[in-house]
Amino acid sequence: EDQVTQSPEALRLQEGESSSLNCSYTVSGLRGLFWYRQDPGKGPEFLFTLYSAGEEKEKERLKATLTKKESFLHITAPKPEDSATYLCAVHPFNDYKLSFGAGTTVTVRA
Amino acid sequence: ETGVTQTPRHLVMGMTNKKSLKCEQHLGHNAMYWYKQSAKKPLELMFVYNFKEQTENNSVPSRFSPECPNSSHLFLHLHTLQPEDSALYLCASGRGGREQYFGPGTRLTVT
Repeated sequence: EDQVTQSPEALRLQEGESSSLNCSYTVSGLRGLFWYRQDPGKGPEFLFTLYSAGEEKEKERLKATLTKKESFLHITAPKPEDSATYLCAVHPFNDYKLSFGAGTTVTVRA
Repeated sequence: ETGVTQTPRHLVMGMTNKKSLKCEQHLGHNAMYWYKQSAKKPLELMFVYNFKEQTENNSVPSRFSPECPNSSHLFLHLHTLQPEDSALYLCASGRGGREQYFGPGTRLTVT
């Protein structure tokens, strides 16, 4: 069974304090790994897709990386507006469904 | 209008009521999904429609009934719900094997 584990559950950062979120996965062949951002009471917003180990994607202060067992979302010099829950999901080759992790809630204090 | 829209955004219903949630996607995708999101739990896939055909019913109770009249519209019909069904219901669309795009969700409260 496909499993996605995100850590930590919650992360409190000072503005400008860089950090990383982890997404560990177990899947029988990875078609793609996705990162989403979700604000309270809203739907997830698509951020990145990663397809193969070694791949990296960047968007503003966010950078996603992928290995064969995990993905990291690096937040560089975060700002309060980066506060949100970040979700990771995997899409296996043998299925059309995504499996989501429980998310990491990031709070950035000014 | 662009993206994925959902109505209503908030819904309060009694356990004996019947209501429907509506989702519309303007992205030209062939697949549409219903998810349930409860506090502190991962997104739970409920139903999948691919080219209007239901391809997944993830052991969802029969009090939830989906309908997909075409590739752009998706409904979730609700009847005799339980308080534990209170959650954020999210609709998404996508192309097989690629990222999914989500609507804003319907916050459902069952009293």
